[in-house]
Amino acid sequence: DIQMTQSPPSLSASVGDTITITCQASQDIASYLNWYHQKPGKAPNLLIYDASSLQTGVPSRFIGSGSGTDFVFTITNLQPEDVGTYYCHQFDSLPRTFGGGTVVDI
Amino acid sequence: QVQLEQSGPGLVPPSQTLSLTCVISGDIVSSNSAAWTWIRQSPTRGLEWLGRTYLRSKWRSDYAPFVESRISIEADTAKNQFSLHLRSVTPDDTAVYYCARDKRLRRHDFWGQGSLVIVSS
Repeated sequence: DIQMTQSPPSLSASVGDTITITCQASQDIASYLNWYHQKPGKAPNLLIYDASSLQTGVPSRFIGSGSGTDFVFTITNLQPEDVGTYYCHQFDSLPRTFGGGTVVDI
Repeated sequence: QVQLEQSGPGLVPPSQTLSLTCVISGDIVSSNSAAWTWIRQSPTRGLEWLGRTYLRSKWRSDYAPFVESRISIEADTAKNQFSLHLRSVTPDDTAVYYCARDKRLRRHDFWGQGSLVIVSS
């Protein structure tokens, strides 16, 4: 199985800040990576697919980049509704696997 | 807009079978551009992909190795739904279970509301 390692496990920021989350795959996954946001008690919500493509309806302050084994997820101009947990997810091979998550609070 | 509505028991005795159903609206289970997936989440193990079913000339299923011996995911085209069956459950199978659409086998773009299933006698 491909292991996905996210960092940091948690972070605290202020409204308007720019934050960055990294995700490292245990092997080359090209650009086969997605990013999700989950609020407590809710299902994950797709933000970024194919490493850098913005899902329909998602604000442009969410940015994804990277390829191979190293990926970066950035939120610019952090908003109160951005609190929650963020996950990376690889779809290069089966079984699909997720990162351990990054908890963002404000 | 695609919607997925989950149903099933919230409490399952150990050694029994966990069964959940996901009813699809806004898409069809026999779509040739989607797969229908089950994922679970627990505090100890995080998000775990369990498996999927999809139609590409014939029905196919893929399962995670750690549950492959006791899982089945089946589609019902007449009811436009798909189901998860996980046999011989133990307390370690306690989790929130989600169904999700896997668009083009590349991204889970729509999810069900989640079902907390507790394995306990």
